[in-house]
Amino acid sequence: QQQVKQSPQSLIVQKGGISIINCAYENTAFDYFPWYQQFPGKGPALLIAIRPDVSEKKEGRFTISFNKSAKQFSLHIMDSQPGDSATYFCAARGPSGSARQLTFGSGTQLTVLP
Amino acid sequence: KAGVTQTPRYLIKTRGQQVTLSCSPISGHRSVSWYQQTPGQGLQFLFEYFSETQRNKGNFPGRFSGRQFSNSRSEMNVSTLELGDSALYLCASSRQGVSDTQYFGPGTRLTVL
Repeated sequence: QQQVKQSPQSLIVQKGGISIINCAYENTAFDYFPWYQQFPGKGPALLIAIRPDVSEKKEGRFTISFNKSAKQFSLHIMDSQPGDSATYFCAARGPSGSARQLTFGSGTQLTVLP
Repeated sequence: KAGVTQTPRYLIKTRGQQVTLSCSPISGHRSVSWYQQTPGQGLQFLFEYFSETQRNKGNFPGRFSGRQFSNSRSEMNVSTLELGDSALYLCASSRQGVSDTQYFGPGTRLTVL
């Protein structure tokens, strides 16, 4: 119930294309869904996040779409750039108490070709 | 504002040894969380410390322990190292914990031979 399943494992996109990464979860008590971006040799950095009462959130070229009934959320990167090449992790935060922690997806390695 | 710093950045140990990793959070942050990152298991939560108290713990054996000092700096200790402990160990700091944005350090790459 604490799992977050992420796909695809790797993604290759041409410059200017749209990158789409999907995540699915089981625990309906999750209350916060962030996406992290990680470059080689660096720790993950928060990219964008959404709460389950919102269906979409956009920040620049990055958009999260959230489908509460399907228990799925996705990251869309518009006009993908070579500098976006990194590993992307979705995550979900558990409810209060001992489950108040982030559960991460397995990661998607994105390569944007010039 | 300085980011989260972790020392050392790289470490090589042998099976059976113990290791201590250090994390200095962003100034003003009272919460430090530790994660283990491996290619097979991804990012897994180890534990969180807030104001010197362990607030949450993930599903790791008791060989993994930590502590936090009054200046919010945190250390993580792994005793009786196993080959499977080879990983990137990340710490993340935030003002109040998981409810806030977590800022990750660059990690400590631990290799167990």
